[in-house]
Amino acid sequence: DAKTTQPPSMDCAEGRAANLPCNHSTISGNEYVYWYRQIHSQGPQYIIHGLKNNETNEMASLIITEDRKSSTLILPHATLRDTAVYYCIVRVGKKTSYDKVIFGPGTSLSVIP
Amino acid sequence: DAGVTQSPTHLIKTRGQQVTLRCSPKSGHDTVSWYQQALGQGPQFIFQYYEEEERQRGNFPDRFSGHQFPNYSSELNVNALLLGDSALYLCASSSQGVGGYTFGSGTRLTVV
Repeated sequence: DAKTTQPPSMDCAEGRAANLPCNHSTISGNEYVYWYRQIHSQGPQYIIHGLKNNETNEMASLIITEDRKSSTLILPHATLRDTAVYYCIVRVGKKTSYDKVIFGPGTSLSVIP
Repeated sequence: DAGVTQSPTHLIKTRGQQVTLRCSPKSGHDTVSWYQQALGQGPQFIFQYYEEEERQRGNFPDRFSGHQFPNYSSELNVNALLLGDSALYLCASSSQGVGGYTFGSGTRLTVV
């Protein structure tokens, strides 16, 4: 079973920041938070991941709370092309572990013109 | 740099038949995971291959089997197809335990 909970759907106005929350209250100390998104009929796309520090890349920012029990993915200036299902996943990052990425139902983000 | 390549892109099979789906991982990746995604649902983990062995398995029957070759490519085999096997089958590659997964575009299987 997925170890995360996310709201089933969200709307965001085009050009505004989209803030997608994720709860992972049972996260272990060696588990990373990963975000993926899936645009209709395509394979999921990796966005960003982090352990405990906030992370930023060209696609998004990831804010992880100090207790690591929740996180927020931020798309700073949402466009219509950001309309997709966003998945938050926790995953052990050690190379010696045969980990598996388990998807929950995710959050369906609709960016509105 | 080629990403994950899956073939075929679409496939129609008859109930009871067998099917083989293929996946070539991203260059530099050594681990392949397979997922089944029914319409409107998140991807469901089938199994993962590393060093030519099945390392993890999800809640799928033995009708679902796989193989990984020395060049890290992989096959997913499904025997005795059921109507409920109709789905998008996704292949994802990674370096074991490190970094994000790279997904292919999937194979759309329709069982009639």
